Amino acid sequence: SQQGEEDPQALSIQEGENATMNCSYKTSINNLQWYRQNSGRGLVHLILIRSNEREKHSGRLRVTLDTSKKSSSLLITASRAADTASYFCAILGAQKLVFGQGTRLTINP
Amino acid sequence: DTGVSQNPRHKITKRGQNVTFRCDPISEHNRLYWYRQTLGQGPEFLTYFQNEAQLEKSRLLSDRFSAERPKGSFSTLEIQRTEQGDSAMYLCASSKVASLGGDEQFFGPGTRLTVL
Repeated sequence: SQQGEEDPQALSIQEGENATMNCSYKTSINNLQWYRQNSGRGLVHLILIRSNEREKHSGRLRVTLDTSKKSSSLLITASRAADTASYFCAILGAQKLVFGQGTRLTINP
Repeated sequence: DTGVSQNPRHKITKRGQNVTFRCDPISEHNRLYWYRQTLGQGPEFLTYFQNEAQLEKSRLLSDRFSAERPKGSFSTLEIQRTEQGDSAMYLCASSKVASLGGDEQFFGPGTRLTVL
């Protein structure tokens, strides 16, 4: 399976701290995408990073991709209470996304 | 709102009943996907369309499930003879084919199905 696996499964930090989530996968990829999901709602697309890219930024988000280690990380800087959500990495394989189980991030005020 | 929309947002049904969900993708998107998500898990792929053609179906999509996209715009997902194990969030996504490196998929809010 080329399912992405997130680590840690749960993360709790204080507001203002940085949060780092990791994703590992098993096969070659076209791209890797990160999504956020607030409780009981749909997924919001955060960042897509292609296999030939190593780092990408979007606002307070920074994503890295290491294809040699088959891993990616999502860094959220200066966290806010509104960042509390589940975060998923998804591997694009044969037109469909394969998701991991996600990291549940809680930002404490 | 020009995002992906899904109806209904919630559906409660009794075991054995049929249910149908609708997804309206972003208008210029030619690909449409269905995923299923159970509590505490990531979404799992069910099927996808390019225009009106259904190009792939997951083994998760038993013969009780059928999806259509008759005019290449909206799509419906029908579950016949529902079972309690069908209880889940059903997510729809759409995308526009990109030339290189794959495409971003944009998700709707989902339809939460509860089978009693």
